[in-house]
Amino acid sequence: NAGVTQTPKFRILKIGQSMTLQCTQDMNHNYMYWYRQDPGMGLKLIYYSVGAGITDKGEVPNGYNVSRSTTEDFPLRLELAAPSQTSVYFCASRELGTEAFFGQGTRLTVV
Amino acid sequence: DQQVKQNSPSLSVQEGRISILNCDYTNSMFDYFLWYKKYPAEGPTFLISISSIKDKNEDGRFTVFLNKSAKHLSLHIVPSQPGDSAVYFCAASAQGGSEKLVFGKGTKLTVNP
Repeated sequence: NAGVTQTPKFRILKIGQSMTLQCTQDMNHNYMYWYRQDPGMGLKLIYYSVGAGITDKGEVPNGYNVSRSTTEDFPLRLELAAPSQTSVYFCASRELGTEAFFGQGTRLTVV
Repeated sequence: DQQVKQNSPSLSVQEGRISILNCDYTNSMFDYFLWYKKYPAEGPTFLISISSIKDKNEDGRFTVFLNKSAKHLSLHIVPSQPGDSAVYFCAASAQGGSEKLVFGKGTKLTVNP
């Protein structure tokens, strides 16, 4: 029972570099979400998807991009990493009207 | 514009007593509410949920109360145990509208032995 799997768990990026945070789920959920959690703060929604081929912006989308080519995968792309993107990133999936299942998180530091 | 608010950053209770965590929301379209628990270095885990057609939902030691007119919900933990020490997040969504799942800032609960 893998649930939601995020890779990598940790990453250090230099300013200006780019990377992709991977998220995959094996529950056949239509809805997938990317959140970031800054120290002492709640979970802020970056992007979400209601199904393959459909994505939409959340509260804090600037500096990020997403794609959803399959039901299982929802990668988050950081272009031109900035120190403000240092955070812990969580991916989640759900069906409407049910609870969301979260991955273990990716701790990203931009230096 | 914070649509889900948890105004108490922290709460400390004695083992065996009741813990009450509060959450307020501003969007009247929200009709499904959830509570999550988070330990350090882990992802949030689901605790309990409530639909707007109910005003109470129980699951073991956990009970969630919903007051729609006040746009307020609360999580009661009875009796509190040291293992309950964690950050608790309130979340809300509008099933008939946006599929966004919006979270509050969380309340750190400490249960003292």
